[in-house]
Parts: sequence; structure tokens; C-alpha cells
Amino acid sequence: DVKVTQSSRYLVKRTGEKVFLECVQDMDHENMFWYRQDPGLGLRLIYFSYDVKMKEKGDIPEGYSVSREKKERFSLILESASTNQTSMYLCASIPYGGSYEQYFGPGTRLTVT
Amino acid sequence: QKEVEQNSGPLSVPEGAIASLNCTYSDRGSQSFFWYRQYSGKSPELIMFIYSNGDKEDGRFTAQLNKASQYVSLLIRDSQPSDSATYLCAVSPGGYNKLIFGAGTRLAVHP
Repeated sequence: DVKVTQSSRYLVKRTGEKVFLECVQDMDHENMFWYRQDPGLGLRLIYFSYDVKMKEKGDIPEGYSVSREKKERFSLILESASTNQTSMYLCASIPYGGSYEQYFGPGTRLTVT
Repeated sequence: QKEVEQNSGPLSVPEGAIASLNCTYSDRGSQSFFWYRQYSGKSPELIMFIYSNGDKEDGRFTAQLNKASQYVSLLIRDSQPSDSATYLCAVSPGGYNKLIFGAGTRLAVHP
């Protein structure tokens, strides 16, 4: 069974803090993705990575950065958290050339106060 | 115009009925189409995917794709209360296995 884990289920941070969200997958997948999900807006792609040290901007990268130093780990960084970044963050992974089924982690509910 | 559009619902159907969920997309070059189910507070899980025009059946679920009209639908036969969830339509424009998601349709199956 593919397993995608995220470091926290719930996180509360203050405006201006630097926030790290970690995602780890145990199936040697090449592609990893970070989404945020907001009511009425669905899942929106923030960043994705198709290999170690490689990254590509998604649809809403502003205010975020990512790091992928190891194949199994993809980190999302909020450089200076703002209240409009309060959201559910979902990580997903898929093998290269896979059937496009993205395996999702359990999500991190981030609240910025 | 959103790239993938779904009616937000809620779509309310009685137990045992057929639930019909629809999705339209704007990119004619889209290659692959997916339906994910998401229970409240949980992450999405894949229930169907379809690549070719026509119908694809899996148990109580049937996905239908019409590329000329740019729509994809999901039929759930013999709907059960456990089917109550948000259904997300996702479209792959190709490359890097990216998916573009619709906002989802909330389905409520009442006994």
C-alpha cells in the first residue's frame, strides 16, 4: 500500500512566522505535489516536483516555496505566514509514467492567526 | 472561465436511486479524466478514471466521457448513504502527471 504522510494534522501559527509542512512518501515516487483546498475553490496546485532538487510552480505559488532534497520528502515552506494562507494543505505523489492516480496524504489544516 | 467546472450541489438523492454528477472542462487537449471521492475531513481517494470516449463501468459506478462536448460524468447506481461525500472531477492536461481539479459536487444520499 502506498503511504503518504504529512507532518501535522493541525497547525496553528502566527502571522509572519516561517512555516514548514513536511510530506513523506514510501513508494519511491518521482512526482510529488502540494495543493491547498478551500471551500468552493477545490484543490489548487501550489508547487510540484518531478525529481530530487527539481521544482515547478503550480497555479498559486505566491507566498510559498518548496524543497526536495531527498526523493521521498517534499517540503512546503511559507516564508512569512499570512491569514489568507489559512487552509487545508494536501500533499500527493505519483510514480513517473504512472496511471495518473495521485495518492494523497491525510492533509494539514493550517490556521494562521 | 474555470478550467474544470462542477455544480457545487448539494445533490440530494434517495437511497437506491441513481446519482448523476457532471463535469465540464475547457482544455480540448486534455488526455485523462478522474473522479475522486472525498469524505468530510479526509483526503481525496480515486474511484474512477477514463481515457476514451464512451462509458466505463466499475461496480455501481459508471464514468462517461464525451470529448467533443468536453464533459465527463459519473453515475452512481443504487446510491447508499455511505456514498454521501464530495465528488471531485480532475482533468490531466498532460505532462508531469499534473491534475486540474474542479471545486467538487457534494452528494447527499438520504435513507
